[in-house]
Amino acid sequence: QQQVKQSPQSLIVQKGGIPIINCAYENTAFDYFPWYQQFPGKGPALLIAIRPDVSEKKEGRFTISFNKSAKQFSLHIMDSQPGDSATYFCAAGELSFGAGTTVTVRA
Amino acid sequence: GAVVSQHPSRVICKSGTSVKIECRSLDFQATTMFWYRQFPKKSLMLMATSNEGSKATYEQGVEKDKFLINHASLTLSTLTVTSAHPEDSSFYICSAGPLAGITDTQYFGPGTRLTVL
Repeated sequence: QQQVKQSPQSLIVQKGGIPIINCAYENTAFDYFPWYQQFPGKGPALLIAIRPDVSEKKEGRFTISFNKSAKQFSLHIMDSQPGDSATYFCAAGELSFGAGTTVTVRA
Repeated sequence: GAVVSQHPSRVICKSGTSVKIECRSLDFQATTMFWYRQFPKKSLMLMATSNEGSKATYEQGVEKDKFLINHASLTLSTLTVTSAHPEDSSFYICSAGPLAGITDTQYFGPGTRLTVL
């Protein structure tokens, strides 16, 4: 049973574009929503995380938008660079992961 | 930040042999570690939760006699794939955390690529 639904499965943008990844959850008990970045052949690494008491969080070029009433949250990558090409996973709580989104940023 | 290491990073073995993968928290103590399996272009599949000093808790569908987990100290958990078969070939990732009272974050190891011939 997948508790977190993530979309799209993959996306391609040009350098400088803003890839947006969306996630939705069901369990309102979740109070921690991290995003992980994973490069091929490597383990995931925490990118940015948010709690439901705020609607937006920015760290560098990465922004999380959180809509508590809709039980949705999204990741925006501003001014994307080829080095941002990776798979991104959202999560709700500690152990409920989305299916992942492969982002390709073309130069 | 907290660092988690895994050893080996890659292993190739013959069918029927056993393989041990180590997961270490290098700069913090981890009472709980998690083991995941990841297929190509797929999400992380939680296999088991490893608790220091007690038996691991396995997720539904994961054979505990095939995937032996030992968490003998606060910095080391091991996963042993017993009598490995080609279908066990996968990317195995461990994580440690969260650190109680400090963060909800899990810290992932770099993963171990297992290939069973």
